Amino acid sequence: AQTVTQSQPEMSVQEAETVTLSCTYDTSESDYYLFWYKQPPSRQMILVIRQEAYKQQNATENRFSVNFQKAAKSFSLKISDSQLGDAAMYFCAYRSAAGGTSYGKLTFGQGTILTVHP
Amino acid sequence: DAEITQSPRHKITETGRQVTLACHQTWNHNNMFWYRQDLGHGLRLIHYSYGVQDTNKGEVSDGYSVSRSNTEDLPLTLESAASSQTSVYFCASSESSGGARDTQYFGPGTRLTVL
Repeated sequence: AQTVTQSQPEMSVQEAETVTLSCTYDTSESDYYLFWYKQPPSRQMILVIRQEAYKQQNATENRFSVNFQKAAKSFSLKISDSQLGDAAMYFCAYRSAAGGTSYGKLTFGQGTILTVHP
Repeated sequence: DAEITQSPRHKITETGRQVTLACHQTWNHNNMFWYRQDLGHGLRLIHYSYGVQDTNKGEVSDGYSVSRSNTEDLPLTLESAASSQTSVYFCASSESSGGARDTQYFGPGTRLTVL
């Protein structure tokens, strides 16, 4: 079974600065997808960014980018020019690309609470 | 616009009672999922369904059941509520394409308290 670990329960950053959230995962599969979700105080789960394991290029979405290290099984999220609205819980998640009973299911990390200071 | 809704948003119940949490999606997605969120554990999969009449157990299925009689709904039932089931419950749905763009859309969550 796959596992996802976020070792930073809490992180903080000054507004306009850059912060990196860490995520490691364990899998024996070669093809999979990785995601970062944001959960603001409203509790709504919002997809921030996704990465296909077969792609070497790191995904980027505006101020959000990832550092995907497949051999190290590491998938960190970098938030540039942090804004007050970035304050939230962030979850790293894994999804197998295989079919059968692994199909479509997400495995989540424990979450990292990000505080943004003005 | 398509959406996924959950009801109730908040529920307080007593130990031993049967509780049903509703999930309804208008995306016409085949896949539906139930997760529970607990501090220190992230979200954990309870049950999931790949289509009508299909249900499967997830990582933490003990004490929960689901049924899928149509595409839109996947109600989650706690057979006999226990204090350990106090949690926030999320329903999600996704297409069945399996590709990277097969995004899971989440409902707003239900906060359940078992006294």
